[in-house]
Order: sequence, then structure tokens, then C-alpha cells
Amino acid sequence: AQSVTQPDIHITVSEGASLELRCNYSYGATPYLFWYVQSPGQGLQLLLKYFSGDTLVQGIKGFEAEFKRSQSSFNLRKPSVHWSDAAEYFCAVGATHPDMRFGAGTRLTVKP
Amino acid sequence: GAGVSQSPSNKVTEKGKDVELRCDPISGHTALYWYRQRLGQGLEFLIYFQGNSAPDKSGLPSDRFSAERTGESVSTLTIQRTQQEDSAVYLCASSIAAQGAYEQYFGPGTRLTVT
Repeated sequence: AQSVTQPDIHITVSEGASLELRCNYSYGATPYLFWYVQSPGQGLQLLLKYFSGDTLVQGIKGFEAEFKRSQSSFNLRKPSVHWSDAAEYFCAVGATHPDMRFGAGTRLTVKP
Repeated sequence: GAGVSQSPSNKVTEKGKDVELRCDPISGHTALYWYRQRLGQGLEFLIYFQGNSAPDKSGLPSDRFSAERTGESVSTLTIQRTQQEDSAVYLCASSIAAQGAYEQYFGPGTRLTVT
């Protein structure tokens, strides 16, 4: 069965600094990988997704993620963080089964 | 176009009461999902519908939980005899089809508090 690990529960970065959120997955084949963001009191919004092809995926709000099969990772990055990026970020893995598995989330705090 | 909507947005209920949570998916989306998100935790998959059929109910925490869907439209998640451990945000999502490749669109959730 597929599973997702987000090793960092909480990350704090200064506004303007770069960001990397880690995600590791476990799945026997090439999975479908997603990053979602959840702002306080809101539902989840898709940032980006990887299905196949180019391993560097561009998403909304200036985010990108890189799929590394050898490391079973799908880390999310942003070159320069804005205060509005403060939120909870979830990595998810999907497969042919509809049961999408989510990581526990990483809470991002942005310092002014 | 409207997104996924859920009602109520907040529900406070006494232990032992039944509650119904409603989800309106995006029009044309055949697949609908329910998740539970406890405070500070990730999303726990509960159940999904393909059309009005729920092929896999194994994610439901107990027999106090049930869900139904009318055609490819509204779904209701019912929790009977609520317990304090049922307190959580219940999220609904829909997608074009019930397959892992398809993006799920989420509603804002229903925050359930059992006192």
C-alpha cells in the first residue's frame, strides 16, 4: 500500500528566503504525486502534481517540486517565500486505487 | 463555476446525538470522497463514491458512520451516537473519476465538535 512521510512537522523561514518541504513516499510503481496547501479555515488547494515525464514540475504561486525516483522523494520548493505562503502543506500519493494517501502535513510559518 | 460546497461549516453537538454532514460536489464529477482531519493531523480517508456506489467502505471508523450519495450529486455523511473522538474537520472532495491520477477538488470542510 502507498504511504507518505513528511518529516518536518513545522518549519519557520524568513520572508524572502528560500523554502524546501520534504516528502517521501512508499509505493511499488511510479505513483501520482501531489502537493496541496491548506490555509487556516480553508479546504485544500492543489499546488502541483506529477504523473510522468519531466521530473521538475511547476505549480501555482511560484512553487515547484522535483520527483526523484532513486530517493522516493517529491520535495516542494520555492525560491523566495512571501508572508502569504504561511499555511499547512500536504504531500499526497495516488495510484490506480482512488484511496489517495496524505502525509501528516508541514506547517509553514513565515517571519517578517 | 461553483466549487465543492459543504454544510454546515460548523457543527457543535452533544455526545450521543446523530449528525448529518452534506457535500455538494462539482457538477459533472462522478467521484466523491470523504476524509477526516483531526486537529494537527493529516487527512484520513473514509470512503469514496463512484456515481452513487461506494465500492470500499473499509475506511469508515466504525458502524456508527455511514454515507450515501444521490446519483452523481449530493452526498451525506451520517455519524450516529457521536463520541468526543469524532470531533474533527470532515472534508469532502470530488474528481472527474475515481482514479488516483485525477486531481481531487476539496470543499472547505465541516468542523464537528462533540461536547
